[in-house]
Amino acid sequence: DAKTTQPPSMDCAEGRAANLPCNHSTISGNEYVYWYRQIHSQGPQYIIHGLKNNETNEMASLIITEDRKSSTLILPHATLRDTAVYYCIVRVEANAGGTSYGKLTFGQGTILTVHP
Amino acid sequence: DARVTQTPRHKVTEMGQEVTMRCQPILGHNTVFWYRQTMMQGLELLAYFRNRAPLDDSGMPKDRFSAEMPDATLATLKIQPSEPRDSAVYFCASGRGGTGRSGNTIYFGEGSWLTVV
Repeated sequence: DAKTTQPPSMDCAEGRAANLPCNHSTISGNEYVYWYRQIHSQGPQYIIHGLKNNETNEMASLIITEDRKSSTLILPHATLRDTAVYYCIVRVEANAGGTSYGKLTFGQGTILTVHP
Repeated sequence: DARVTQTPRHKVTEMGQEVTMRCQPILGHNTVFWYRQTMMQGLELLAYFRNRAPLDDSGMPKDRFSAEMPDATLATLKIQPSEPRDSAVYFCASGRGGTGRSGNTIYFGEGSWLTVV
């Protein structure tokens, strides 16, 4: 699976948009970009994923560059409860041999702190 | 809401004791993962199963760890004998087979917090 690079930490003011960048310059054509977050003492929580088109759901938006080498997760109106570690992961959903079927490989992520 | 259920949530045990952690995946999910999280190593994949068959357990110390799926509704992770370095949070996760946007999202449980003294 391709490697991702994220800033170790970011700050954001409550009510403002939080834009979390991720570089994945070695991403392959069959790899999706996934975002998870982990709030203290909880299990990782799925946020959003995409292949090459921008995606939006009730939690966030995902912007993927045209060359797919980087992406940005956008939390449009950050709240204090969005303080968490955010993980950007590129993932092969399935391959013919089935040996890397669907696994998520976590890096260190970005610690997002939302301030009042 | 469907969720992955893990037991026990917290466990304190003495070195040398056997520890068994259990996971009930989301109904209908055919892929189950075991992860371990420590401050030093972060989230590491230990093993995962598809349709109850082990696909990859290369992340798991073989001498003391074992993972099984006795049936589709139960996955177990066993440590025997336990050691202090096994102290960590163990997460179970499950997903449904399928590719693309049809839904291969993986969902995590709340973890089993293990302390070996």
